Amino acid sequence: NAGVMQNPRHLVRRRGQEARLRCSPMKGHSHVYWYRQLPEEGLKFMVYLQKENIIDESGMPKERFSAEFPKEGPSILRIQQVVRGDSAAYFCASSIGTGGTGELFFGEGSRLTVL
Amino acid sequence: DAKTTQPNSMESNEEEPVHLPCNHSTISGTDYIHWYRQLPSQGPEYVIHGLTSNVNNRMASLAIAEDRKSSTLILHRATLRDAAVYYCILLDSGGSNYKLTFGKGTLLTVNP
Repeated sequence: NAGVMQNPRHLVRRRGQEARLRCSPMKGHSHVYWYRQLPEEGLKFMVYLQKENIIDESGMPKERFSAEFPKEGPSILRIQQVVRGDSAAYFCASSIGTGGTGELFFGEGSRLTVL
Repeated sequence: DAKTTQPNSMESNEEEPVHLPCNHSTISGTDYIHWYRQLPSQGPEYVIHGLTSNVNNRMASLAIAEDRKSSTLILHRATLRDAAVYYCILLDSGGSNYKLTFGKGTLLTVNP
């Protein structure tokens, strides 16, 4: 009865390094979403993916950030050349579909600290 | 998206009922009212949602005003585990219901 699994839970990177955050959705869910929570702020939508497709990336920063959800394996949020402002909690959520009012199931988050 | 307004914080005692208010005076006819909560160091958790009628589930009750301009999340008997930030969110049923707009929410403190 596993929920949304995210790893690593905590990640420390130096400026200029790359960060890779992984998310395995709940069993049976084919829709994955990434949210970011900056310190002292609310969560903000970043990107919505289905298998092998990016559906909506309107919340993604234009540079250095990318996301994928391959046919096999977890969804990955990749941040290249990290800067201090990327320090945040990154939450992944999944759902069965997007129609109607379905709830999103969130993981426990990956907390990125950039030194 | 229509905005919601919630108190910054509220306090309750264990085993007492808690009423968490939310104002959404610009709500449209197709907006659902959703509540999520976020426990410390965890991801948000769905609580309940409704459109016009009051709703009950195992976690809470949602009371929606007749004009839909406000709603109240009711925890019938608060426990220490209910200490969290509670978010009231409006979602257009015909739109992108995955783009939850999290404001600052209400920080609920539960005293033993």
